[in-house]
Amino acid sequence: KAGVTQTPRYLIKTRGQQVTLSCSPISGHRSVSWYQQTPGQGLQFLFEYFSETQRNKGNFPGRFSGRQFSNSRSEMNVSTLELGDSALYLCASRGFGTSGRYTGELFFGEGSRLTVL
Amino acid sequence: DQQVKQNSPSLSVQEGRISILNCDYTNSMFDYFLWYKKYPAEGPTFLISISSIKDKNEDGRFTVFLNKSAKHLSLHIVPSQPGDSAVYFCAASRTSGNTPLVFGKGTRLSVIA
Repeated sequence: KAGVTQTPRYLIKTRGQQVTLSCSPISGHRSVSWYQQTPGQGLQFLFEYFSETQRNKGNFPGRFSGRQFSNSRSEMNVSTLELGDSALYLCASRGFGTSGRYTGELFFGEGSRLTVL
Repeated sequence: DQQVKQNSPSLSVQEGRISILNCDYTNSMFDYFLWYKKYPAEGPTFLISISSIKDKNEDGRFTVFLNKSAKHLSLHIVPSQPGDSAVYFCAASRTSGNTPLVFGKGTRLSVIA
């Protein structure tokens, strides 16, 4: 089945602008998570959505927000961009059983590389 | 507060030898551990996992060992191949409560031919 799809793959913005990134999860996966990867910092958790509700949230400022649609597609938005927001933003989906507990590992997309000038 | 630590940023190994990547965690509530591999310009891909009820899980050339008392896990790759050169991330989670995966900062493995 098709994997996790992220768009756009690359984008360049200037400080103060805002950006919206999109993610389509694997078909049937209702959970979508977002991570930020910067050099030397690994993957830092931003938030997770499940059935259109934010289930978990990482330690990022309010400029970072997200949402999930009824078809499980997700978007994340970063407002008032700063130079430090330059990073690879990764989306991942995972499957949940009928009990609502996750059934396995995260499946990642290829990421959206954001450069803030 | 870094709950998952990979203290070696990089590792170089000769082709054919064993690669050992280490990972420590601090949260005793973690009960599910995973390793991911990441090539440049690609998303991380799942490699192998282990539940806290086991101390070893093997998949081909890859074996993960878990030492719960030491809160330590390791990934062994035998034999190492040049195609294994990538960044390896350790991750941990609690299966109850649907908590997110917590990742380490990664170890860059270089397998030299």
